[in-house]
Amino acid sequence: NAGVTQTPKFQVLKTGQSMTLQCAQDMNHEYMSWYRQDPGMGLRLIHYSVGAGITDQGEVPNGYNVSRSTTEDFPLRLLSAAPSQTSVYFCASSFYSGQGAQAFFGQGTRLTVV
Amino acid sequence: AQSVTQLGSHVSVSEGALVLLRCNYSSSVPPYLFWYVQYPNQGLQLLLKYTSAATLVKGINGFEAEFKKSETSFHLTKPSAHMSDAAEYFCAVSDPTGGSYIPTFGRGTSLIVHP
Repeated sequence: NAGVTQTPKFQVLKTGQSMTLQCAQDMNHEYMSWYRQDPGMGLRLIHYSVGAGITDQGEVPNGYNVSRSTTEDFPLRLLSAAPSQTSVYFCASSFYSGQGAQAFFGQGTRLTVV
Repeated sequence: AQSVTQLGSHVSVSEGALVLLRCNYSSSVPPYLFWYVQYPNQGLQLLLKYTSAATLVKGINGFEAEFKKSETSFHLTKPSAHMSDAAEYFCAVSDPTGGSYIPTFGRGTSLIVHP
């Protein structure tokens, strides 16, 4: 059972380049989200989705786009990379049951923008 | 709006000592609360969660947390620290009425365990 899979694990970009961080989950969860982790800042929500075709902005959405065409995939696009986007990015999928909600995280993508 | 505050960016304890990591939350409705642990260069792993059942929640690796509504707190404790507990710990909250169940995280507390 793979859970949440993020690719790539590491990436170096030049300022102005674009790229897509991939996220896939095989647990049939409705909810998916992207966070960035920076030292001393914890995890900050970039974008999230409550189902295929439905996305919304989180706390720090500027410079990022998302789409959710299938339940399984939730890619994060950097439109024009900036050094301020150097960070570790985590994708998560969440579900709700009678016992409450829980989020499962991928292993992260470490992005450096030079 | 929901938020969590973790008091202390670093906590240092000796092996065998009590671990106490503090978390206070803000939520307009009774929340779901979580503690996650992150080991170096890894993703986040759920330690425990509170979802309005028992107020004392037991998790993995000997950790537990108590939900105190009057204090809006959800502090994480472990009676005796092990070297393997050294990691980053995150408290998180989600609003069960919001429909998204997307957690909001605190800034994290780094637990340092001395021999």
